[in-house]
Amino acid sequence: QQQVKQSPQSLIVQKGGISIINCAYENTAFDYFPWYQQFPGKGPALLIAIRPDVSEKKEGRFTISFNKSAKQFSLHIMDSQPGDSATYFCAATQGGSEKLVFGKGTKLTVNP
Amino acid sequence: AAGVIQSPRHLIKEKRETATLKCYPIPRHDTVYWYQQGPGQDPQFLISFYEKMQSDKGSIPDRFSAQQFSDYHSELNMSSLELGDSALYFCASSPPNSRLGETQYFGPGTRLLVL
Repeated sequence: QQQVKQSPQSLIVQKGGISIINCAYENTAFDYFPWYQQFPGKGPALLIAIRPDVSEKKEGRFTISFNKSAKQFSLHIMDSQPGDSATYFCAATQGGSEKLVFGKGTKLTVNP
Repeated sequence: AAGVIQSPRHLIKEKRETATLKCYPIPRHDTVYWYQQGPGQDPQFLISFYEKMQSDKGSIPDRFSAQQFSDYHSELNMSSLELGDSALYFCASSPPNSRLGETQYFGPGTRLLVL
């Protein structure tokens, strides 16, 4: 059973557009939600992360929106660039556990 | 900035052979995690170590074992390899004083192919 559900599986965006990837979770014990970017053949790279006491966090062109009551969080990539083309994973972990639970990933393609 | 180092980067083994994967965390990081990622799949947590002690365990087969050494590097030992073990194996590390499981930085991975 997938503890973190991610959508869409794939996303195509034009250069300069906004990319939006959504994740939902059931386990209310989760208290840390990172997003990772992975290029083919490379390790996941930590992009940005949020805790439930904050509804939004922005770092450059990347923004996480968090809705605690709906148990949902999303990644927005503003002014998407072809270099952003990669697979994005949302993840979650809970206090007392060291394992990250990942979503299934979203393959983002930004067309020039 | 220094990153997590994994070796080897690629490994080809036959069924029933053994393999040892090595991970060198970012300097001064004291927690190491191992993940397995199948083709087109999300990474699955295997095991983690904090200060040389096993700290959490996931879906790691009994055929696999791991340890963290005094210099904080870690090794994942895989025996009786099966075709299904073919995957990317990632090591991640996190700095001291970070909350459990947070701020994990991943290495480039070891691609294991079992024939």
